Amino acid sequence: AQKVTQAQTEISVVEKEDVTLDCVYETRDTTYYLFWYKQPPSGELVFLIRRNSFDEQNEISGRYSWNFQKSTSSFNFTITASQVVDSAVYFCALSEALYNFNKFYFGSGTKLNVKP
Amino acid sequence: ETGVTQTPRHLVMGMTNKKSLKCEQHLGHNAMYWYKQSAKKPLELMFVYNFKEQTENNSVPSRFSPECPNSSHLFLHLHTLQPEDSALYLCASSQEIGKTYEQYFGPGTRLTVT
Repeated sequence: AQKVTQAQTEISVVEKEDVTLDCVYETRDTTYYLFWYKQPPSGELVFLIRRNSFDEQNEISGRYSWNFQKSTSSFNFTITASQVVDSAVYFCALSEALYNFNKFYFGSGTKLNVKP
Repeated sequence: ETGVTQTPRHLVMGMTNKKSLKCEQHLGHNAMYWYKQSAKKPLELMFVYNFKEQTENNSVPSRFSPECPNSSHLFLHLHTLQPEDSALYLCASSQEIGKTYEQYFGPGTRLTVT
């Protein structure tokens, strides 16, 4: 079974629309970390955020916000007023204390197309 | 240079060739990783090194051979590859293993096996 599921394979929006990327994870560990990465066409994964399992506070950074809910094992990512430069593939990832945080489990990614 | 660099950015090789991918990090990190990214599949962790010692080999075929001479450099030696090995190979680094540090990625090497 996949530990991180990103059910949305591809999303297309028009510039200035808000968009939410879903991430559902699975773990038996009580201590774990969740991450979001952005992969633009250039290929390099860019780190966006890290969240630990004990901190369910939502976080906002500019147009980006993250909603972590342990009750539903979800860590969703919202982009407000999307821009063309937001077009990329976005990955959610999980690392667990069980494996000494040695392994990152990545979802399959969601490709976001923002059209002008 | 800053961050994580990878060379070459693109590589085309035949199944009988031998080639090497290079990764260098300028972040002062002690852990380095190789990942394989194939179309429509999650990133697959291949190898992990911590302070130059290999700590993870994720059942990778022996035609892939990693080398980590120091904490700043990581190589992936390739020989007798198969067409299904064509993918984007990503290198990453983090401060060290066992702690919850995010990984920083290089731009990848796009490998095509003909």
